[in-house]
Amino acid sequence: DGGITQSPKYLFRKEGQNVTLSCEQNLNHDAMYWYRQDPGQGLRLIYYSQIVNDFQKGDIAEGYSVSREKKESFPLTVTSAQKNPTAFYLCASSTSSGGDYNEQFFGPGTRLTVL
Amino acid sequence: SQQGEEDPQALSIQEGENATMNCSYKTSINNLQWYRQNSGRGLVHLILIRSNEREKHSGRLRVTLDTSKKSSSLLITASRAADTASYFCATPRRDTGRRALTFGSGTRLQVQP
Repeated sequence: DGGITQSPKYLFRKEGQNVTLSCEQNLNHDAMYWYRQDPGQGLRLIYYSQIVNDFQKGDIAEGYSVSREKKESFPLTVTSAQKNPTAFYLCASSTSSGGDYNEQFFGPGTRLTVL
Repeated sequence: SQQGEEDPQALSIQEGENATMNCSYKTSINNLQWYRQNSGRGLVHLILIRSNEREKHSGRLRVTLDTSKKSSSLLITASRAADTASYFCATPRRDTGRRALTFGSGTRLQVQP
């Protein structure tokens, strides 16, 4: 089955720890994205990548880092510099046709809680 | 920045009724998309309408787009309890070369059986 997976589903972080959220897709999509969702809110863009070894900051990149070493993978690290990381994190991917990026496919999400 | 804003924030209806959600946006767009999110899950793409289209149908879904008013509506006809979810509109962000999307805060739909 083609799709996008995230792991773990639930993650608990202690103060001062870095944690890494995994995102993998087998859809052969060029572009991948990380969003943060707080309770009752919409999605806010953290980082996005349109090609391997390239990524761009979104609206709330501070305290987060990413890498894109493979087309299929786009892991997100939540560093200790992120002061309020408790949230639901969503990874997505998309492809383009004729220069337009169309629908995004989302993973099931990772819920991060700071203890 | 949040470009799309949905209205109402919450909607509760009976099974069989129609549900209408509205979305407003601020800048020019080449398409507008609607997504659905079940509680605690990822988003699922429902429908995409391009800026040169006024109306689009997909099953029980009907989407309209009025670019002069910078607004869109999503109509779910003959709703079912399984339609209970949050619904978001999203527009491509010009500052990302239309690669990333800006999402509204969503409409939470509750369909009572």
